[in-house]
Amino acid sequence: DVKVTQSSRYLVKRTGEKVFLECVQDMDHENMFWYRQDPGLGLRLIYFSYDVKMKEKGDIPEGYSVSREKKERFSLILESASTNQTSMYLCASSLLTGGFYNEQFFGPGTRLTVL
Amino acid sequence: RKEVEQDPGPFNVPEGATVAFNCTYSNSASQSFFWYRQDCRKEPKLLMSVYSSGNEDGRFTAQLNRASQYISLLIRDSKLSDSATYLCVVNRLNTGNQFYFGTGTSLTVIP
Repeated sequence: DVKVTQSSRYLVKRTGEKVFLECVQDMDHENMFWYRQDPGLGLRLIYFSYDVKMKEKGDIPEGYSVSREKKERFSLILESASTNQTSMYLCASSLLTGGFYNEQFFGPGTRLTVL
Repeated sequence: RKEVEQDPGPFNVPEGATVAFNCTYSNSASQSFFWYRQDCRKEPKLLMSVYSSGNEDGRFTAQLNRASQYISLLIRDSKLSDSATYLCVVNRLNTGNQFYFGTGTSLTVIP
């Protein structure tokens, strides 16, 4: 079974703090993604990575950065957390086969509250 | 215009009913199509991929209409355990392999 794990299920931080969200997958997938999910807005892509040390901006990268030093690990960083970054954060990984993506596998999510 | 649009519902149907969800996508270059299921406070999980010829998996049937740019999901003989949010997802290569998610359609199956 593919497994995607995230470092925390629930996190509470204060405005201005630096926040690290970690994601690890165990299926040797090239591609990893960070989303946030908010009511009425669905899943929105923050960043994705198709290889080690490679990253691409998604639809809402502002206020976030990412790091992919190893294939299995993709980190999301909030340099200075703000209250509008309170959300559910979901990590996913996917395999690319023949030029097309197979399904994405999601981690359990991290519910971040910024006070 | 949103990449992927779905009727948010909610759909409340009795056990045993047949229910259908539709989803439209805006970019004709979209190449891969999926339906995901998301239970309350859980992560999305793949329900089924959607192929051009249409495909069926037990009580679930998915269809793709490229000309009209819509995807459908039909659930027959609804079970209580089908209650969830159903997410329509499309993917295309010319935007760096992004997946685009609809906001989801909520289904509640009532005893």
